[in-house]
Amino acid sequence: DTAVSQTPKYLVTQMGNDKSIKCEQNLGHDTMYWYKQDSKKFLKIMFSYNNKELIINETVPNRFSPKSPDKAHLNLHINSLELGDSAVYFCASSQEARSYGYTFGSGTRLTVV
Amino acid sequence: LAKTTQPISMDSYEGQEVNITCSHNNIATNDYITWYQQFPSQGPRFIIQGYKTKVTNEVASLFIPADRKSSTLSLPRVSLSDTAVYYCLVGDGNTGGFKTIFGAGTRLFVKA
Repeated sequence: DTAVSQTPKYLVTQMGNDKSIKCEQNLGHDTMYWYKQDSKKFLKIMFSYNNKELIINETVPNRFSPKSPDKAHLNLHINSLELGDSAVYFCASSQEARSYGYTFGSGTRLTVV
Repeated sequence: LAKTTQPISMDSYEGQEVNITCSHNNIATNDYITWYQQFPSQGPRFIIQGYKTKVTNEVASLFIPADRKSSTLSLPRVSLSDTAVYYCLVGDGNTGGFKTIFGAGTRLFVKA
């Protein structure tokens, strides 16, 4: 069983489209995250949810909207995709918000053409 | 704003011990230091975490001096499969530790 699973693994889409990435964790963790890794390999946090409540919302365009229907799921919806959104998006979870023991998913490589 | 500083890359040979140092001058009192390993096309994987002095597990050791302004990840007898990017993290005390910041990481190349 995969601890943190993301779908899809690859996503190629045209500019202006709307797309979603799904994430699920079966670890029973309370906190989930979305990270973005750009071409230079910098890993930057975008959002964090703790028990379905948004606790971190970094400087991210409004086109990005996370949704957490329950504490095991954290989805990322992106509107009006732009070329600069191309990156690898990682979902992660941790037992609690102050825990630094993250479990990451395998990533979703988004390519906007 | 990056809170950690690591060498961009390091080279080593199989069987050698590798030490990667991370500087974190602004570490907060409650912050822990955590190291992750990332292989291409995979998410980062937790290696080790510590607060002070020395921590050892089956994979690595983590050395933290008394002032905690730096830490050193030690990988004993590396193999080719240890070629990866290694990230040092410290908690961001400004947001109650909820947010951790990944630095640029250190690319380790292990040669035969």
